[in-house]
Amino acid sequence: AQSVTQLGSHVSVSEGALVLLRCNYSSSVPPYLFWYVQYPNQGLQLLLKYTTGATLVKGINGFEAEFKKSETSFHLTKPSAHMSDAAEYFCAVRRGTGNQFYFGTGTSLTVIP
Amino acid sequence: NAGVTQTPKFRILKIGQSMTLQCAQDMNHNYMYWYRQDPGMGLKLIYYSVGAGITDKGEVPNGYNVSRSTTEDFPLRLELAAPSQTSVYFCASSTLAHEQYFGPGTRLTVT
Repeated sequence: AQSVTQLGSHVSVSEGALVLLRCNYSSSVPPYLFWYVQYPNQGLQLLLKYTTGATLVKGINGFEAEFKKSETSFHLTKPSAHMSDAAEYFCAVRRGTGNQFYFGTGTSLTVIP
Repeated sequence: NAGVTQTPKFRILKIGQSMTLQCAQDMNHNYMYWYRQDPGMGLKLIYYSVGAGITDKGEVPNGYNVSRSTTEDFPLRLELAAPSQTSVYFCASSTLAHEQYFGPGTRLTVT
């Protein structure tokens, strides 16, 4: 079975500070991993994804994530937070041969000026 | 390309009424999905489809039905609306093994 755990439903950072949003997954087979961002009253849009290959993945808006198989983690980071980063972030996993995506419960990021 | 479109954007239903949420995509994706999003609960999969004529249940299918007669369209039917179905509904599509593209959502209230 697949599942996704996002630690911290709310995270606050100061503008210019490091952003770290945590995601751990469980999967019986090598997974595909995703981070999505959701702005208020909008649908989800893809930030970045890991399928195969390089474990450090770079996405849009300066975000990146590292797939660590030994830790079953796929944490999202950004070196310097911007006010426009305030949003809800979702981690998702898909089993490589499966049809379904499993989402975490989301982390709401607040950026303090 | 319009991507994934959903109609309506908002709807208020009375208990026991029925309605269909429309979803269409113009990216020729085989895979399509319906989710509901409730506060603090993330997204829960209702139904999905791997191609025209093929649908399957997700985590929370009770109270809903779907059909997939064409690659482009994937409507979600609520037969007897209940307050527990008050939620935001998202449709998404994807190619095999890659990311999903989401529609803007339908906000449904059942009173």
